[in-house]
Amino acid sequence: QVQLVQSGAEVKKPGASVKVSCKASGYTFTNYQMHWVRQAPGQGLEWMGIINPSTGFTTYPHKFQGRVTMTRDTSTNTVYMELSSLGSDDTAVYFCARDLGQWRHAFDFWGQGTLVSVFS
Amino acid sequence: QSALTQPRSVSGSPGQSVTISCTGTSNDVGDYNSVSWYQQHPGKAPKLIIYDVTVRPSGVPDRFSGSKSGNTASLTISGLQAEDEADYFCCSYAGTFTFYVFGRGTKVTVL
Repeated sequence: QVQLVQSGAEVKKPGASVKVSCKASGYTFTNYQMHWVRQAPGQGLEWMGIINPSTGFTTYPHKFQGRVTMTRDTSTNTVYMELSSLGSDDTAVYFCARDLGQWRHAFDFWGQGTLVSVFS
Repeated sequence: QSALTQPRSVSGSPGQSVTISCTGTSNDVGDYNSVSWYQQHPGKAPKLIIYDVTVRPSGVPDRFSGSKSGNTASLTISGLQAEDEADYFCCSYAGTFTFYVFGRGTKVTVL
């Protein structure tokens, strides 16, 4: 069965960086792109970008360009999301979510979420 | 990017139907048949229940259905059950600049 297991909660100070991991299992890792989505406390969801695990190619929305970096390690079937220059408004639960594939623009499996708290 | 507009909450009694609207613009919901819906129970990850406006993934009960008219998509839950009490988010593809926009979520309460 498809599983996405994320790394544990993080506490960071403003200006620091955080790197969250997402280990995939139960399917061919390189066949499906992976998204990152975040959810601030009591708020809706926000799309942060996508990585193609086969090629490493990434796409980020304008809001996060220059501040987010997504990478992958095909030897461990793991994708990473690093966010730099953290501010208090980056406090959120960060999810990895597998792309449904075949240009169907949806997210079919999600990780359990990683809480990142930013405060001084 | 602006979020899609959803009602903050809807409620219904067991067995009744409820409909959640999701209003966007001609740049997202109105331009693409790529609306998806997610169910999220407290403290849990979202679960995909509808994609491509109307398609249910395998294992999702057929009491969940989706539709779209113009810039507004809708999710209908027919025969409401206690376990349907959750938050529901809509999402639309919005092209190669914005990519994806989400609604702020609707809390469904089963009375």
